[in-house]
Amino acid sequence: QLQLQESGSGLVKPSQTLSLTCAVSGGSISSGGYSWSWIRQPPGKGLEWIGFIYHSGSTYYNPSLKTRVTISVDTSKNQFSLKLTSVTAADTAVYYCARGDSNYDFFEYWGQGTLGTVSS
Amino acid sequence: EIVLTQSPGTLSLSPGERATLSCRASQSVSSSYLAWYQQKPGQAPRLLIYGASSRATGIPDRFSGSGSGTDFTLTISRLEPEDFAVYFCQQYGGSPLTFGGGTKVEIK
Repeated sequence: QLQLQESGSGLVKPSQTLSLTCAVSGGSISSGGYSWSWIRQPPGKGLEWIGFIYHSGSTYYNPSLKTRVTISVDTSKNQFSLKLTSVTAADTAVYYCARGDSNYDFFEYWGQGTLGTVSS
Repeated sequence: EIVLTQSPGTLSLSPGERATLSCRASQSVSSSYLAWYQQKPGQAPRLLIYGASSRATGIPDRFSGSGSGTDFTLTISRLEPEDFAVYFCQQYGGSPLTFGGGTKVEIK
């Protein structure tokens, strides 16, 4: 059974960089044509797709965040990462990693989520 | 960007009743690339439906999806106690991927 687990900086100061990692177990990031996404959810609000990456390193970002987002993959560690720069309080959210289907970008596998708080 | 509008915002029903949730897109969703998720407090979303009407693995048949173009519906035929949650739709036919704002199904 595929499992995803987020980890990283839980508390970040305004203007700094939020860094998160998603460790994948029960399957290889390098197998299949899956996309690997980051999705966030501000407290009490809806879901926002941030972007995804393929094992080849190809990335696609939400235009609303594109200038501040970098997603990278480390196939040797079977994990992928998110960096969000110049954060503000509006970036406070639960951040999820998720795997897309082999051909389509809906999400069957999700991590449990990690709260990223932006506060001075 | 395709904007998804879900209605109603909250649905108050009793166990055993039928729930009908709506998801309307600002433009046609190509090839019915629409999914539905269930989310309970403190948990990640759970995939229910993809391709507008295909149930995901292990999803009970009381959950069904329908629709095409700009109008989609999730129906729960008879609400079980564990079905009271928030439901989101998501389109994957256009970029960026977008989600609806959610419908909360609460116990009446």
